[in-house]
Amino acid sequence: QKEVEQNSGPLSVPEGAIASLNCTYSDRGSQSFFWYRQYSGKSPELIMFIYSNGDKEDGRFTAQLNKASQYVSLLIRDSQPSDSATYLCAVNPFTGFQKLVFGTGTRLLVSP
Amino acid sequence: EPEVTQTPSHQVTQMGQEVILRCVPISNHLYFYWYRQILGQKVEFLVSFYNNEISEKSEIFDDQFSVERPDGSNFTLKIRSTKLEDSAMYFCASGGRPIGADTQYFGPGTRLTVL
Repeated sequence: QKEVEQNSGPLSVPEGAIASLNCTYSDRGSQSFFWYRQYSGKSPELIMFIYSNGDKEDGRFTAQLNKASQYVSLLIRDSQPSDSATYLCAVNPFTGFQKLVFGTGTRLLVSP
Repeated sequence: EPEVTQTPSHQVTQMGQEVILRCVPISNHLYFYWYRQILGQKVEFLVSFYNNEISEKSEIFDDQFSVERPDGSNFTLKIRSTKLEDSAMYFCASGGRPIGADTQYFGPGTRLTVL
């Protein structure tokens, strides 16, 4: 069973701090990795995707991928209360497979 | 900005009844998906659809489920005989290219409640 693991949290950070969210995956053949944000009762909203080892930055968000360690992370700089949500890590298990495997998500709470 | 739309937003049905959940993907997208999320649990893949046929399906997607693209804009999920355990949020998603080259954009979801 191809699994994606995340700490369920909650992860609590003060406003303005850096939030670090982590994800590990079991299928070494996985090729593409996605971070979604989900507010309670709403649908997943894409934040970032990453395909290559290293860092990818987009505004306040940085995704980091280490395929050797099978590890993906998301850093949120200057965290805002509006960032409070559940962050879902999703993995495409193998190129050509048309599906995403999701983790259970990490709940982030940013306090003012 | 183009978006995926879904109707209805909430569907209540009796166990054993048939339901059809409707989705309008983003207009130039070619890859279509259904996922579900039982309350408090992870988002689970159900099925992917491309070129008018199913590309992949999960173990959840048994004979009670079917998908169809009846015209150039709609994409539907049918559950023939609903069970209590089918109660969940159902999300439609679409993508312009295969997952390795693009991602999936999710609709707002349909909350299905089976009584």
